[in-house]
Amino acid sequence: KAGVTQTPRYLIKTRGQQVTLSCSPISGHRSVSWYQQTPGQGLQFLFEYFSETQRNKGNFPGRFSGRQFSNSRSEMNVSTLELGDSALYLCASSPRDRGRVTEAFFGQGTRLTVV
Amino acid sequence: TQLLEQSPQFLSIQEGENLTVYCNSSSVFSSLQWYRQEPGEGPVLLVTVVTGGEVKKLKRLTFQFGDARKDSSLHITAAQPGDTGLYLCAGEVQGAQKLVFGQGTRLTINP
Repeated sequence: KAGVTQTPRYLIKTRGQQVTLSCSPISGHRSVSWYQQTPGQGLQFLFEYFSETQRNKGNFPGRFSGRQFSNSRSEMNVSTLELGDSALYLCASSPRDRGRVTEAFFGQGTRLTVV
Repeated sequence: TQLLEQSPQFLSIQEGENLTVYCNSSSVFSSLQWYRQEPGEGPVLLVTVVTGGEVKKLKRLTFQFGDARKDSSLHITAAQPGDTGLYLCAGEVQGAQKLVFGQGTRLTINP
């Protein structure tokens, strides 16, 4: 079974621009979560999508948004980029089956650098 | 306030030594997981513990879930340089099917 695929792996953007990151979950997984990881803050939860609906949301400004498509693939968008948005963005998929514990299977991440 | 507190945050020891990493909370979790992350890569799931008092072993790694399901520990015996990495614990919030992560323990094993 193929793992979680994130594209692109690396990205350099300028302040004020916007960016879209993509995540393809493990086949059969219906839940996709996004995290921001920085050395100072650790792994911070952004949001989770399940069956095209946002189910959980972290404490991030409205510049951070996402969506999920009918095939469970997900995209994350950050508008009006700031220097502080430089981070490793991780996507994780979960089966989210009823009665089963929630386990996250992560992609390799997208390293975003804002200059 | 971090829901899950990991300690220590940094640990550097010599090859062959033993070590324990702790993950503590005042909240009860449905399950608790441990992940290991290498530089430039995403975290990889090592183990999931579900039952209070549960102990799981993965080669030289021993994971324990506290009786009250509020804490966990990871013990590594005879550490090797290949064990170097960031170790993250994550708890599943009861009833929410949501994971909360600790800040991580950055482990360095020196040859």
